[in-house]
Amino acid sequence: QSVLTQSPSVSGAPGQRVTISCTGSSSNIGAGYDVHWYQQLPGTAPKVLIYGNNNRPSGVPDRFSGSKSGTSASLAITGLQAEDEADYYCQSYDRSLSYVFGTGTKVTVL
Amino acid sequence: QVQLVQSGAEVKKPGASVKVSCKPSGYTFTGYYLHWVRQAPGQGLEWMGYISPNSSVTKYAPRFQGRVTMTRDTSITTAYMDLSRLTSDDTAVYYCARATFSKSYYLDYWGQGTLVTVSS
Repeated sequence: QSVLTQSPSVSGAPGQRVTISCTGSSSNIGAGYDVHWYQQLPGTAPKVLIYGNNNRPSGVPDRFSGSKSGTSASLAITGLQAEDEADYYCQSYDRSLSYVFGTGTKVTVL
Repeated sequence: QVQLVQSGAEVKKPGASVKVSCKPSGYTFTGYYLHWVRQAPGQGLEWMGYISPNSSVTKYAPRFQGRVTMTRDTSITTAYMDLSRLTSDDTAVYYCARATFSKSYYLDYWGQGTLVTVSS
């Protein structure tokens, strides 16, 4: 049972914009800790997509963007592509539990 | 290029222990913390703990405290995760991942994963 809650699934047609939310509390996101996002393609290890709330590592398309406000964070994917079909996880730090991951969101491209 | 290569799949009986290795390359072994994350079949990611390869300082997730031990051998630049008293709930893919600091720590490189199956 994770302390960071994500919607189980989101879907969109190619070219559309989808957002994934990550809801925490005053012990983690709301305490000012950064949020990072990971993409996990089927059968592969996770890969960092966004770090430090809104920074993209080199090589990550600018279709991916992150934001954080209060006790929540969001990942937006604009211009959705078939290759974006994957599981997405947020990750932060919690005062009691140390590092924590979100429950994960499956993105389906219709 | 940075790579983290893990040991192969394991099958263990309930009550046994398993030791998974992680050998990074392409960077200075002692320069970055190594974290362990696991993923049960069809489930999400679960953080287990980390080790500092430089000092061997460790921090474990509360639910694994007393059952997990993370070590490293600097002579062969390899890190290990040892999990004891296995049950079927420990069946999962175990990943090691390098932590990089940029205002906070995030996991920038991951191993390929090691499947541990616990079955009688």
